[in-house]
Amino acid sequence: DAGITQSPRHKVTETGTPVTLRCHQTENHRYMYWYRQDPGHGLRLIHYSYGVKDTDKGEVSDGYSVSRSKTEDFLLTLESATSSQTSVYFCAISESLGVNTEAFFGQGTRLTVV
Amino acid sequence: GDSVTQMEGPVTLSEEAFLTINCTYTATGYPSLFWYVQYPGEGLQLLLKATKADDKGSNKGFEATYRKETTSFHLEKGSVQVSDSAVYFCALRGNNNDMRFGAGTRLTVKP
Repeated sequence: DAGITQSPRHKVTETGTPVTLRCHQTENHRYMYWYRQDPGHGLRLIHYSYGVKDTDKGEVSDGYSVSRSKTEDFLLTLESATSSQTSVYFCAISESLGVNTEAFFGQGTRLTVV
Repeated sequence: GDSVTQMEGPVTLSEEAFLTINCTYTATGYPSLFWYVQYPGEGLQLLLKATKADDKGSNKGFEATYRKETTSFHLEKGSVQVSDSAVYFCALRGNNNDMRFGAGTRLTVKP
């Protein structure tokens, strides 16, 4: 199994509060991703990173920010959580962006915003 | 943009039944195609992949063939087991290198 650790695994937070999710990898892969998983939508890309301090927006980036100060850590922040951000969040990593390249996933963080 | 469409679930089968989960895609160029599996409480794991037309990916008794003429990548297994109960996701990575996922199909196999 790829060495990807997400924390926390579960979180309940109140609307309007800031929340940070952490993804830590031990594979030294250059590319890291944050996805959200919602029923009927599969996985949708929030943000991704192609190196330290290099990030870009994905399909559903509004309301989220990310940071990557070290190769192994990729943080996802909800500045002011809303109920629509209740979801399961997955971190993924890949060695490259090549079309043949698979992604490896963490175990997910279940976030509930009440 | 690129997209993936999977058959809607849930799918419920008896043990040893034949499984097909349909997946079709829309993409420019020549994407790679993947099937991922998610067991309860876990992240996604790569099940199989195919990187060019007519390639067949296979793993753990599952197979899928990359059909460019029908833009499909259907997942099949000849005899399912209770342990195959999971959610299955079809995905593609296209020329823009973004990975797109289908909505997922939940499979339940009953003894």
